[in-house]
Amino acid sequence: GENVEQHPSTLSVQEGDSAVIKCTYSDSASNYFPWYKQELGKGPQLIIDIRSNVGEKKDQRIAVTLNKTAKHFSLHITETQPEDSAVYFCAASRGGNQFYFGTGTSLTVIP
Amino acid sequence: NAGVTQTPKFQVLKTGQSMTLQCAQDMNHEYMSWYRQDPGMGLRLIHYSVGAGITDQGEVPNGYNVSRSTTEDFPLRLLSAAPSQTSVYFCASSYSRVGELFFGEGSRLTVL
Repeated sequence: GENVEQHPSTLSVQEGDSAVIKCTYSDSASNYFPWYKQELGKGPQLIIDIRSNVGEKKDQRIAVTLNKTAKHFSLHITETQPEDSAVYFCAASRGGNQFYFGTGTSLTVIP
Repeated sequence: NAGVTQTPKFQVLKTGQSMTLQCAQDMNHEYMSWYRQDPGMGLRLIHYSVGAGITDQGEVPNGYNVSRSTTEDFPLRLLSAAPSQTSVYFCASSYSRVGELFFGEGSRLTVL
């Protein structure tokens, strides 16, 4: 099956700085890579996703990059704000509604 | 729009007891799934369904049972609870086989 590794497990940044979270996957058939944000006591919510036919996608302060050859993808958050503090999960899927998640990154933005 | 609703939010069981975690969605999504979340392990797929009457096993199905008699509901049954099933359980639904998952708020289960 698929194996998704996520680093770092914890990340602290000053408000206004950038944050980068990296994930690698093992199954070359995976073709959909979403990122979820989970706030305390809540379920995860999708913040951005990318499909295997695209190398980069941006949505305001959030961007995701995908390197299919190296089997890794990254989340970039620019101009971080305190409300960005949460746990972020990457995931990979080859379809059929089966997703494999990374182990999560706890991001703290220090005001 | 309620989205994905899970009940109960909290439950304490004794080893060997059985129970059902309820999940309902009002978005007419065909795809539904159950995940468990454990510290340091992310979310792991237990069972999933691609439509009413169709279910399949995920990564960690042992000790759990599911059925899907309607589009809206996807209950998760613990047959004989064990301490290793202490976890937070999330139900999710999706409109596509490869698309956004909409999660419920979770059910925290403790097995003593």
